[in-house]
Amino acid sequence: SQQGEEDPQALSIQEGENATMNCSYKTSINNLQWYRQNSGRGLVHLILIRSNEREKHSGRLRVTLDTSKKSSSLLITASRAADTASYFCATDTGANSKLTFGKGITLSVRP
Amino acid sequence: EPEVTQTPSHQVTQMGQEVILRCVPISNHLYFYWYRQILGQKVEFLVSFYNNEISEKSEIFDDQFSVERPDGSNFTLKIRSTKLEDSAMYFCASSEHFGGYGYTFGSGTRLTVV
Repeated sequence: SQQGEEDPQALSIQEGENATMNCSYKTSINNLQWYRQNSGRGLVHLILIRSNEREKHSGRLRVTLDTSKKSSSLLITASRAADTASYFCATDTGANSKLTFGKGITLSVRP
Repeated sequence: EPEVTQTPSHQVTQMGQEVILRCVPISNHLYFYWYRQILGQKVEFLVSFYNNEISEKSEIFDDQFSVERPDGSNFTLKIRSTKLEDSAMYFCASSEHFGGYGYTFGSGTRLTVV
């Protein structure tokens, strides 16, 4: 598997439900970031969690990081139709500031 | 909120032609990047730029690619002789700090090579 792999690849939920997306990576990281991309549009930074942090919240977003398992999860609570998008995790190893992205998760929130 | 601006938003070019994609990073940022995303695939790192020189480049960034910061505000990506497989969304990004913090991406340029 590659650095920054998300699962599931696609997720379809009803509005109001919670959405959980997972990301696994292979090498040591400096931080892990989650991005959202609406169809054909740019990347919007959602949240960053440092390697020495275990959990972080931002509004309806909750991200966790388990460095022993090299995994992270993004939870979107009380989802809305507007949350429909692709979500990517990206890791920064700290060596040179470049980000390594996963393949992304397509989230569909049904009204 | 400060933005990274990319122009044009769409560009169609003939195979073999040169293209220049333009970006205006956030003014106090010191680190600049280009990434690309082929349709339906993941975002891939192309090149990072700091202190007027390339910091790192990927295998994708071959001799057909070059970057420049010509005037202290613009950051450009040039593809010398485009190929069909260069068709992708190209994202510029900038950051204030080293270490991947405070990354801001532009909204991208969709390049179509025909």
